[in-house]
Amino acid sequence: SQQGEEDPQALSIQEGENATMNCSYKTSINNLQWYRQNSGRGLVHLILIRSNEREKHSGRLRVTLDTSKKSSSLLITASRAADTASYFCATDNQAGTALIFGKGTTLSVSS
Amino acid sequence: KAGVTQTPRYLIKTRGQQVTLSCSPISGHRSVSWYQQTPGQGLQFLFEYFSETQRNKGNFPGRFSGRQFSNSRSEMNVSTLELGDSALYLCASSLSGGMSGEKLFFGSGTQLSVL
Repeated sequence: SQQGEEDPQALSIQEGENATMNCSYKTSINNLQWYRQNSGRGLVHLILIRSNEREKHSGRLRVTLDTSKKSSSLLITASRAADTASYFCATDNQAGTALIFGKGTTLSVSS
Repeated sequence: KAGVTQTPRYLIKTRGQQVTLSCSPISGHRSVSWYQQTPGQGLQFLFEYFSETQRNKGNFPGRFSGRQFSNSRSEMNVSTLELGDSALYLCASSLSGGMSGEKLFFGSGTQLSVL
């Protein structure tokens, strides 16, 4: 079963705008990761945030984690056409034996 | 350092056949995970191998199996293919497993079409 669920399922914005994607999960976690996938390709790791962290930055990416609400958000600032991709959050499953991915948010950035 | 290599990139099979997919992890990585990705179900965890041992298994029928060799290369096999097995199969490697807080490095995947 899915541990993380992203919202929205799809997002369309113009270049230069910010994009925010949300992830909700069901059980307590040790860490949460975000990945990006370009169409039909493998996933690329973007950022990891641990359960004792509230916010993390990497370039134009900002990730927040609210363990009390069991949710995380990924913000991409000043989006570019090259950011067009699907974005997934991933967490441990309940037994801590596998990394489970949500169904993703498909981001489309038009120029 | 070479990335994760999956072969073949594309595969077309017919129902009832079996298929073997190959994954070569990044040098030094001992954990290899396999995922099935379909438009309807998203990314589903198949299994994970570490040092030639299957540590974790997802909720897939026994037709899906895998193995890992001493050089950490991994193969997955699907027997008696069904139409619903059409998917992108992704392999990912890491030093000791993504659930430990490590990031996974993914290959480009094998696109399997079952006719």
